[in-house]
Parts: sequence; C-alpha cells; structure tokens
Amino acid sequence: EPEVTQTPSHQVTQMGQEVILRCVPISNHLYFYWYRQILGQKVEFLVSFYNNEISEKSEIFDDQFSVERPDGSNFTLKIRSTKLEDSAMYFCASSEGGAEGYTFGSGTRLTVV
Amino acid sequence: GENVEQHPSTLSVQEGDSAVIKCTYSDSASNYFPWYKQELGKGPQLIIDIRSNVGEKKDQRIAVTLNKTAKHFSLHITETQPEDSAVYFCAAGRGANNLFFGTGTRLTVIP
Repeated sequence: EPEVTQTPSHQVTQMGQEVILRCVPISNHLYFYWYRQILGQKVEFLVSFYNNEISEKSEIFDDQFSVERPDGSNFTLKIRSTKLEDSAMYFCASSEGGAEGYTFGSGTRLTVV
Repeated sequence: GENVEQHPSTLSVQEGDSAVIKCTYSDSASNYFPWYKQELGKGPQLIIDIRSNVGEKKDQRIAVTLNKTAKHFSLHITETQPEDSAVYFCAAGRGANNLFFGTGTRLTVIP
C-alpha cells in the first residue's frame, strides 16, 4: 500500500536554529498538508498546499514557517528560528482530493532544547 | 472556524464489550467526518469515514453514525479486542479544505 514517508523520525535542535522536515507524499496525490501534535494534545492543522502554492494556513503557521515542493517528489516544512514551544510531532499528509482520503506519514518528532 | 469536541478522553472496556466515542462539530458547512486510529509512535490511520449525505456507515466491527441536525457523530466498535487499544480521533472537514481534529480518546481494551 502506498505510504507517505517522513524524515527524519526524530530531530533535536537548539533554540534559534533552522530545521527542515521532509516528506515524500504519495505519488499521484495532489494535496499536501502539514499538521502538528504537541504531546498529549490534538492534531492541529498548519498548512495545506495545492498546485504549487499554499491554499490555506492556520494562525500557528506564522512567518517562521515556510513550505516548499522543491522537486516532483518532496514536500518540506522549514522552521527558520525554532522556539521551545515548537517541540511537537509534525505529520505530513497527502490526498487525491482535499480533505477526503488523507494518508498521514508516521511523523517527525521535533525536540527544541 | 470549525470546532470539534470529543468525549470521553479515556475509555476502558472489557474485551468483547462495545465502545462508543462521541464528537460534536460547530460548522454546518462541514460535510466529511473521518475517524482516525493512532498507535504509539505512528501517524493517524483512517479507519472509517462518513459524508454528510449518509446517516450511518458500517465496516465489520466498526460503525459511524451522523446526526447533521444536532451536529454530532459517533464511532461504535463492537466485540472489542486488545488490538483495538489506541488513541482515536474524530475530525470534520469540507471539500478541499483542512481537517479539524477532536482532542482524542484513549481506548484501552482489557483482556
């Protein structure tokens, strides 16, 4: 069964450093998403991406965040200057048709120290 | 925006019993309601979903019901097994937009 692949599985970074989280969505999917989950809390929407541009973003997704699809397969989330409160699991998801039929990756655990 | 509430936050049942998890949503424009199962260290996995033009959907031991008027939907798991133990999330969405998740229910099935 097709999978969404995320790397790395765990990233530890110092406060103020830049991190890039990587995702390879399912190849025929057109919609791409980033969500985060702070330990023990709900999964929160960050950003959606379609047709090579951001289609929607939440208030969490401020100027410190950016997304890119640098080639035909990767979808990245960059945090420019990490803060302690950015520590969370970050999930990438993709779908063929918007909100229906999401497939989530297994996540990247980001720890900011 | 959409607000999804989920209850209970934890649920323990004996193996073989049924489990019911309930969610409410606020945005009447939401028309897609998936349920996800999340096991430790993994991403959410879709287990069943329902669209607003349907009131009930069943897949083996799992069923989902939707009451559009009351804006609530429920997950029913019958004949629970230890491998059903996980965190379950409801979500609501519409069209090509993002999903709004509930706060999750930790289900423990006691052998």
